Order: sequence, then C-alpha cells, then structure tokens
Amino acid sequence: DGGITQSPKYLFRKEGQNVTLSCEQNLNHDAMYWYRQDPGQGLRLIYYSQIVNDFQKGDIAEGYSVSREKKESFPLTVTSAQKNPTAFYLCASSIAGGNQPQHFGDGTRLSIL
Amino acid sequence: SQKIEQNSEALNIQEGKTATLTCNYTNYSPAYLQWYRQDPGRGPVFLLLIRENEKEKRKERLKVTFDTTLKQSLFHITASQPADSATYLCALNSGGYQKVTFGIGTKLQVIP
Repeated sequence: DGGITQSPKYLFRKEGQNVTLSCEQNLNHDAMYWYRQDPGQGLRLIYYSQIVNDFQKGDIAEGYSVSREKKESFPLTVTSAQKNPTAFYLCASSIAGGNQPQHFGDGTRLSIL
Repeated sequence: SQKIEQNSEALNIQEGKTATLTCNYTNYSPAYLQWYRQDPGRGPVFLLLIRENEKEKRKERLKVTFDTTLKQSLFHITASQPADSATYLCALNSGGYQKVTFGIGTKLQVIP
C-alpha cells in the first residue's frame, strides 16, 4: 500500500543534541512538507519542498533544517538552536501544483529529557 | 492579521443528528479550502476540497459549503455515528497556491 512512513514514533532529545526525524513516501509525490503541532494550536509549517534538491522555509523554520536528496525522502533535523522542540511533528506529501490534498504520516512525538 | 477560526470547544452531538462545524477566516483570499479528519495520535486524513467558485461539495454523508462573501466554510456530517468522533481541521491555501494554513480544529463527539 502507498503511504507515508515517519519514524520513530517517539523520540527523546537531550539538551544540546541534534535529532533527525525520518519521512519516507512511496506515493511518487513531488511535494513534501513538515509541520509541527502543539496543543491548542493549528499545524504550523516548518519547511516544504516542491521538487528534489529544492526546499523553502515555512512559518517557523528557525532551529530546523531539511534536505531533499531523493524524491521519496524528506528528513527533518531539529537542531540544538530550537529552544522549544517538544511537539508532535507531522510529515505530508502531495502532488505538486497546488489545489491538491496532502497525505500525512502518523507523526513523531519529540520530547526533551 | 490573518486568522483561521474554528470552534476550539468540543461539539457534542447525538447519534443520528447532523453535525455542523464552522471555519471562519480573516484576511485571506483562498482559492480553495480543505477539510481533514484527525484521530488522537494520528496524522490528519484528507476528506474534501472545495474551490472558491464552488458553493457546495458532497461526499457520501459529508457536505461542505464555501461562502467567500462571509469568509466561511461549513462542514456537515449527516446521520452522525460514534465512529465520526474525531477532530476536524479546515485548511486554506495561503501565501501561494501550494502552501496551506490549518485551523486549530474542532473536536466532535458523537454520543450513542
């Protein structure tokens, strides 16, 4: 079955550590996205990519980095510069060109030790 | 400033009744609006998309309306069932055709 796989489901980070969240899709979608979800807030866009080797900052990119070396993969690194990283992180993909539904993974919950 | 407002409080409804959820927006001019369902601990699942030139869209027991004058979308679930209990998110395109902004969501509880 086609879909998006995020791993791990739960992740713990120590202070000062960088961590990388994995996102893989086999839907052959060009566009991929990373969101952060906090209680009482809507999904907020961190980064998005419309094509391989290209990505743009979203609304809250500070303290995060991404790469898009393969169409199927869009890993997100939460750096030590992100001061409040505890959140539920969601990856999505869609057909490029706008006006398209996004397909989401089941998220990674990141907590600080 | 730009805002998307959904009822942040939970909506409780009796099984079999029609649930109506509201999405209001300010200072956006969306070309389209989407509705998603999210269950606890899971990612959102796409339900319906409605374009600015469409007044209404239906899919099985779901109906969405889009009023660009009122800057509002209504999401209806007819003959609601306990399995419809979830949080429903609206999203509209913002800052470019591909980028979307999500509302907080409304939690729906269907009581047997």
